[in-house]
Amino acid sequence: GQQVMQIPQYQHVQEGEDFTTYCNSSTTLSNIQWYKQRPGGHPVFLIQLVKSGEVKKQKRLTFQFGEAKKNSSLHITATQTTDVGTYFCAGRNAGGTSYGKLTFGQGTILTVHP
Amino acid sequence: NAGVTQTPKFQVLKTGQSMTLQCAQDMNHEYMSWYRQDPGMGLRLIHYSVGAGITDQGEVPNGYNVSRSTTEDFPLRLLSAAPSQTSVYFCASSYDLFSNQPQHFGDGTRLSIL
Repeated sequence: GQQVMQIPQYQHVQEGEDFTTYCNSSTTLSNIQWYKQRPGGHPVFLIQLVKSGEVKKQKRLTFQFGEAKKNSSLHITATQTTDVGTYFCAGRNAGGTSYGKLTFGQGTILTVHP
Repeated sequence: NAGVTQTPKFQVLKTGQSMTLQCAQDMNHEYMSWYRQDPGMGLRLIHYSVGAGITDQGEVPNGYNVSRSTTEDFPLRLLSAAPSQTSVYFCASSYDLFSNQPQHFGDGTRLSIL
């Protein structure tokens, strides 16, 4: 079945440093979604990427979708303590028996030291 | 709108006990799903439903039952709790499986099996 691998599992940064998490799928995706989960909270939708090579920005966050639609990344510039949490990617399968199903990556836990 | 409501928020069970985790949404979403979240494992799909009367298994369905008698409600039943089912359970809903809409998550149920 479809697998979505996300790295790194943990990332510790000093406030002001940049942060990147990467997501790789074993199959081609129709789209990919990114979620943020604050400590003790629930995942909250951030953004969705649909087109091959798409790049979207939300303030200090930059999201990219690979040309082959099998990988994606989230980059945070100049991290702040409010960025603390777990970031998940979720890929929607483009075909086969798992068509349409959303598979979550393992998540990257971001810690920001002031 | 309350969004996705999960009850209870916390529960402690003894091995072998049964219980039902409740999930309700007021957004008229067709697609509902249950995930469990364990450290380092991300969000794993237990069961999902694409509409009232229709359910299907996800990645880790063993030990869990679901039903979908109404659009609003999607309860998750543990028939005979086991320590391996200690986890945080999230219910999520979205417009439907294929519309590329984001998942809306409940606040979660933190379940401990002794």
